[in-house]
Amino acid sequence: EVQLVESGGGLVQPGGSLRLSCSASGFTFSSYTMHWVRQAPGKGLEYISAISSNGGSTYHVDSVKGRFTISRDNSKSTLYLQMSSLRPEDTAVYYCVKGPCSGDNCYFDYWGQGALVTVSS
Amino acid sequence: DIQMTQSPSSLSASVGDRVTITCRASQGITNYLAWYQQKPGKVPNLLIYAASTLQSGVPSRFSGSGSGTDFTLTINSLQPEDVATYYCQTYNGPPRAFGPGTKVDIK
Repeated sequence: EVQLVESGGGLVQPGGSLRLSCSASGFTFSSYTMHWVRQAPGKGLEYISAISSNGGSTYHVDSVKGRFTISRDNSKSTLYLQMSSLRPEDTAVYYCVKGPCSGDNCYFDYWGQGALVTVSS
Repeated sequence: DIQMTQSPSSLSASVGDRVTITCRASQGITNYLAWYQQKPGKVPNLLIYAASTLQSGVPSRFSGSGSGTDFTLTINSLQPEDVATYYCQTYNGPPRAFGPGTKVDIK
């Protein structure tokens, strides 16, 4: 059974940093591109980051570029999202997501339960 | 970047009704279109990919159609458990944008 378990969420002050982790099991983690999607309270879904299976290629949406860094440790089957210079508008539930890809064309068939990040003073 | 729009933003229908949600891409995306269902307080769930392929385990009352820029999600015979917000998503490369969502309620 595929499982994606996020951790590391919490309350952080504006300008602060936080690192999210996503522990994966039930599939060959090192074979899959992995992603982060977030959802602000009461709002829609926003795709934010992706990392290729070997970690050699990453993508960040413009709203987080230069502040967030996606990474992975295939030996630990773990995905990370390092977030810095956090803003109140980064407050959201952050989902770790996997799915099949055909080249760069990836949809999402498994989602973690999400980690809540609250940016507030 | 490709922008996704959905209509309507919300709808209310009776049990047994046929419900149609439209999704439009700002440029052609062939059939790289997925639909997700998010029930209140729950994690999004994949319903359809490749515009019309039903994900395993999804009830057959759900169907998808379209290609290029215009797509449709149809729920035949709406059920109480279908109360949810439905999102389309293009996965024609990053940024793999989501639509704003359509909230479906029971009348």
